[in-house]
Amino acid sequence: DAGVTQSPTHLIKTRGQQVTLRCSPKSGHDTVSWYQQALGQGPQFIFQYYEEEERQRGNFPDRFSGHQFPNYSSELNVNALLLGDSALYLCASSYRGRGDYGYTFGSGTRLTVV
Amino acid sequence: QQQVKQSPQSLIVQKGGISIINCAYENTAFDYFPWYQQFPGKGPALLIAIRPDVSEKKEGRFTISFNKSAKQFSLHIMDSQPGDSATYFCAASISGFQKLVFGTGTRLLVSP
Repeated sequence: DAGVTQSPTHLIKTRGQQVTLRCSPKSGHDTVSWYQQALGQGPQFIFQYYEEEERQRGNFPDRFSGHQFPNYSSELNVNALLLGDSALYLCASSYRGRGDYGYTFGSGTRLTVV
Repeated sequence: QQQVKQSPQSLIVQKGGISIINCAYENTAFDYFPWYQQFPGKGPALLIAIRPDVSEKKEGRFTISFNKSAKQFSLHIMDSQPGDSATYFCAASISGFQKLVFGTGTRLLVSP
């Protein structure tokens, strides 16, 4: 039973560029949430997708956008990258939009902006 | 009001000892309190979770104590082992909503 799969594992981008991160949820899960984890900090909620719609959004600018596909996989897009966007980006999947039914995190994508 | 405050930032415990990590919250609407364990290079993994209708939950060597009136909860790791060395995060959410609010993390080192 595959868990949450994220790609790529590492990425280096230049300030001002755009980046797309990908996530495949755990089998049986239909909801994807994205978190940003800065070095030495706890994960911060970016947004959540359920039924191909953004259901909740954290305190992140519009440069952060996402998409969910019919197979429940998801993408996180960040435009106009800033040095401060350097972080570990975590994808978490769950069932029916319920985090308290069990959240499974992927290993993340380490984004470095130079 | 959305913050979860976690302490200590780091903790060193001898093998066989008890590790205790504390968290406090302000938002009384929170009704789900999980603890996550994160190893380097990995995503957080759910360790144990509690709801405010119980004061304690135990799973193996891991126990959550919950004090609703004080708006505090803590993780106790009994008989700590070197394999428990990791970063631990407390979190809180409102049932039915995806957003987990995480604490800042505690780096635990269990010395052999």
